[in-house]
Amino acid sequence: NAGVTQTPKFRVLKTGQSMTLLCAQDMNHEYMYWYRQDPGMGLRLIHYSVGEGTTAKGEVPDGYNVSRLKKQNFLLGLESAAPSQTSVYFCASTRLAKNNEQFFGPGTRLTVL
Amino acid sequence: GENVEQHPSTLSVQEGDSAVIKCTYSDSASNYFPWYKQELGKRPQLIIDIRSNVGEKKDQRIAVTLNKTAKHFSLHITETQPEDSAVYFCAARRDDKIIFGKGTRLHILP
Repeated sequence: NAGVTQTPKFRVLKTGQSMTLLCAQDMNHEYMYWYRQDPGMGLRLIHYSVGEGTTAKGEVPDGYNVSRLKKQNFLLGLESAAPSQTSVYFCASTRLAKNNEQFFGPGTRLTVL
Repeated sequence: GENVEQHPSTLSVQEGDSAVIKCTYSDSASNYFPWYKQELGKRPQLIIDIRSNVGEKKDQRIAVTLNKTAKHFSLHITETQPEDSAVYFCAARRDDKIIFGKGTRLHILP
């Protein structure tokens, strides 16, 4: 099993450009999450999903959109990238049962110029 | 919403000594508290977790304690080793959200 994978690993964007980050998991997990990690700020929750077709806002949702059309995939979109969105983005997934371990993807390093 | 505070932000200990990292949370309904370790350039990985109906949990050199009344929980690492050097994150879960603290960078000094 590949676990949680993220595409791409690195990306450089210009201000105003758009892009989509893909997260895929092969563990049949119901819950999926997107976090951003900035120096000294820890992991901040952007959006999450508790199942196919459902999404919800986290701590810092502004400037991002998400979709969960398939159970195994969770997409994070930036419609008009800003330098403040320069960060490392981590996806994570967990089983439906409460209090289970989050499995993280390897991360995507995004730079917005 | 939930807010998780973590201290200290940086911690240096001599190899072989103990390290303690503390976290507080704001939402009394939070019921699950994991700790993650992140090595440089790697993804966070779970090292230990505790549920709200338990006061303490131990796994070899790592232990976590939870005080629900005071809404704080702590990570204890004994007999620290060089490979313990990393950033450690605490987190609290309420319903479907898991909120993380800002992390503690642990340095193990030779």
